[in-house]
Amino acid sequence: AQKITQTQPGMFVQEKEAVTLDCTYDTSDPSYGLFWYKQPSSGEMIFLIYQGSYDQQNATEGRYSLNFQKARKSANLVISASQLGDSAMYFCAMREGGTGRRALTFGSGTRLQVQP
Amino acid sequence: NAGVTQTPKFQVLKTGQSMTLQCAQDMNHNSMYWYRQDPGMGLRLIYYSASEGTTDKGEVPNGYNVSRLNKREFSLRLESAAPSQTSVYFCASSVKGSLKNTEAFFGQGTRLTVV
Repeated sequence: AQKITQTQPGMFVQEKEAVTLDCTYDTSDPSYGLFWYKQPSSGEMIFLIYQGSYDQQNATEGRYSLNFQKARKSANLVISASQLGDSAMYFCAMREGGTGRRALTFGSGTRLQVQP
Repeated sequence: NAGVTQTPKFQVLKTGQSMTLQCAQDMNHNSMYWYRQDPGMGLRLIYYSASEGTTDKGEVPNGYNVSRLNKREFSLRLESAAPSQTSVYFCASSVKGSLKNTEAFFGQGTRLTVV
């Protein structure tokens, strides 16, 4: 069963506007971490932001923030003030368990295009 | 600081040929992974190694074997390549500890085409 679902294959946003990329997850483990990665057209995977299941506050890293709604099992990425360089694939991922022994499970990704 | 290094970056194989993808990390990470990326499917786990001396199957292990040669190196072998194995392969590594610091660091990827 798919554990990470990204329902938006593609998104468009105007430069300088904010955009929300959706991610829902499924797990019965009370301890888990949620990660977002960016993959530009050059292909490398860039880690953006992390949210732990026990974290009381939503994570923020610069222009990236995570809208974490635990009861709804969603962890949406919000990019504020979009820039042309934000055009890329974005992947949501989850790691279950408190020991970090398990691998990341990825969603299918969302392709974001920022328009001038 | 090289991070995670994969070789080769590109490879074309004929059906039935074998090859080994090499991966090395210099971050002293315990855990290493091999993923494949196909259009529309995100990254799918092939094999992972939680620590030196251990390996476990992931979501799509058929047709692949791995070797955790030492703490630094984790290789992926295709014994008899098939067109269905055409993909981009990523090696990654991470620390083993509390979840917060266990983001995976990725190599640059290997684009493999099987004809």
